[in-house]
Amino acid sequence: AQKVTQAQTEISVVEKEDVTLDCVYETRDTTYYLFWYKQPPSGELVFLIRRNSFDEQNEISGRYSWNFQKSTSSFNFTITASQVVDSAVYFCALSEAPEGNLIFGKGTKLSVKP
Amino acid sequence: DTGVSQDPRHKITKRGQNVTFRCDPISEHNRLYWYRQTLGQGPEFLTYFQNEAQLEKSRLLSDRFSAERPKGSFSTLEIQRTEQGDSAMYLCASSKRDGTDTQYFGPGTRLTVL
Repeated sequence: AQKVTQAQTEISVVEKEDVTLDCVYETRDTTYYLFWYKQPPSGELVFLIRRNSFDEQNEISGRYSWNFQKSTSSFNFTITASQVVDSAVYFCALSEAPEGNLIFGKGTKLSVKP
Repeated sequence: DTGVSQDPRHKITKRGQNVTFRCDPISEHNRLYWYRQTLGQGPEFLTYFQNEAQLEKSRLLSDRFSAERPKGSFSTLEIQRTEQGDSAMYLCASSKRDGTDTQYFGPGTRLTVL
């Protein structure tokens, strides 16, 4: 069965701190896709990244970076030098087909205080 | 590109009434998804269309729920005889087959059943 676990329900940091959001997934497929979405207070889910299971290269995009480790079934997300605008709920998701439905974790609420 | 749009953004109804939501996907996106999100949870998959064909339905989609995408463009989600447990955010997403198949979400329709 497929499952995504985000063990951190809420995280609070002070601006400019680095923060890592954890994501652990379960799947029996050898080919799968992992995602991170951001949901700000306005409610709309914003796509951040998509990663294929056969591409374990870590990725950096500005202040955001992602660490994909198949050995531990984890796909963690780090925000460097956090800003107040990063405050949101962040969801990790899994799909077992390119066009398949997304299986979401319960999300991690990040609060960045000035 | 304009994003995914949903209408209405908010709906308050009384138990037992029928409601219908509309989703307009991103132009040229042939896949359309419906998800439901309750407070403090990640979105849960309801159903998926490729063009006008409904290809997958979750067991969450009870007999009171029906979705259509008549011409492969916009989609409607109808809930008949609403119950208080139907109160949630209903999210629509669309994607196209371009090698990434990334799902882009709309702002959602928040349903409150009194």
